[in-house]
Amino acid sequence: AQRVTQPEKLLSVFKGAPVELKCNYSYSGSPELFWYVQYSRQRLQLLLRHISRESIKGFTADLNKGETSFHLKKPFAQEEDSAMYYCALSYYQGGKLIFGQGTELSVKP
Amino acid sequence: GAGVSQSPRYKVAKRGQDVALRCDPISGHVSLFWYQQALGQGPEFLTYFQNEAQLDKSGLPSDRFFAERPEGSVSTLKIQRTQQEDSAVYLCASSFMLGTAGELFFGEGSRLTVL
Repeated sequence: AQRVTQPEKLLSVFKGAPVELKCNYSYSGSPELFWYVQYSRQRLQLLLRHISRESIKGFTADLNKGETSFHLKKPFAQEEDSAMYYCALSYYQGGKLIFGQGTELSVKP
Repeated sequence: GAGVSQSPRYKVAKRGQDVALRCDPISGHVSLFWYQQALGQGPEFLTYFQNEAQLDKSGLPSDRFFAERPEGSVSTLKIQRTQQEDSAVYLCASSFMLGTAGELFFGEGSRLTVL
């Protein structure tokens, strides 16, 4: 079955430190991978998707099919990056987006 | 509109009551999704509409859950004979494109508490 695993429930770093939020998936085909973010008191929103190959707010994510991973990285964390981050997978365009359990990122001053 | 709108934002129901949750998607969005998010968990897919057609309802946990989108715009998620395990935040999302091809825009959710 298709699954998304985010092994860390909470990741705490200091401002300016590098950040890596881990995401692993299980799917034998060619999935589409996303990162969604939820800031405090805001709604869930798209951060980035692997097909766009963009850097959003300094975050990047590379799809590694060999390791079935899609880790989210940022070289220098900022306090405003504190939020819940969800990795998600879509394996067909029918609409079923499968989310991981989420990682809470806390960036301390 | 400003975005996806959901109502009510908070609902407390006694076990056994029926509830109805409403979603107003962004105007012109053809795809509409419902998700259930339990405390401390990620959103779990419930069902997907493309205009008025319900193309996937594989995530609905039981036949007590029913969703409709009769005119291809507003959608209602109905839960009959609520149980305590139905307590969760119910998220609605819409997209301009078909399925997950485009960005999903989420509402703020409806928090259901079943006593």
